[in-house]
Amino acid sequence: AQSVTQLGSHVSVSEGALVLLRCNYSSSVPPYLFWYVQYPNQGLQLLLKYTSAATLVKGINGFEAEFKKSETSFHLTKPSAHMSDAAEYFCAVSDSNTGNQFYFGTGTSLTVIP
Amino acid sequence: AAGVIQSPRHLIKEKRETATLKCYPIPRHDTVYWYQQGPGQDPQFLISFYEKMQSDKGSIPDRFSAQQFSDYHSELNMSSLELGDSALYFCASSRTTGVAFFGQGTRLTVV
Repeated sequence: AQSVTQLGSHVSVSEGALVLLRCNYSSSVPPYLFWYVQYPNQGLQLLLKYTSAATLVKGINGFEAEFKKSETSFHLTKPSAHMSDAAEYFCAVSDSNTGNQFYFGTGTSLTVIP
Repeated sequence: AAGVIQSPRHLIKEKRETATLKCYPIPRHDTVYWYQQGPGQDPQFLISFYEKMQSDKGSIPDRFSAQQFSDYHSELNMSSLELGDSALYFCASSRTTGVAFFGQGTRLTVV
């Protein structure tokens, strides 16, 4: 069975500061991991994905995430936060590249302080 | 680029009524998924279809049913609506070896 845990339901950072959103996964098979962003009243947009290739994955809008098997983690980072990054971020795991069934974390709400 | 289209975007229904949500996947995507996201919650998987056949089933109530048609669009039918069914319903689509892309969602309000 697969599951993800997102530590911190709310994260606040100053504009220009480092963004770090934590995600730990549990999977009985090699996982496929994803980060999605959800802006207010909008759908989920794919930020990046890990599918057993490079462990450091670069996504859109300057985000990246590193897959660490030893720590069962897939934390999302961005060197410098922008006001437009304020949104809800979801980590998700599936057991195949098709994402036949995603298991989402509970989400982390990112606030960027001017 | 074409995205996943969901209709309607907003829907208000009364208790015990029926609702039908539609999803039009990205062209050449053969898999459709439905998710339910309650207020302040993470999306919960309901059901998925591959090549018009049900491929996986999650926490979908018996009052709900879904199907995928020959043109690959999908419909989620919800009967005997309850207040607790008020949520954002997402559809996503993918090709067999691809990542799932989500639609904007349908916000269902049951009053």
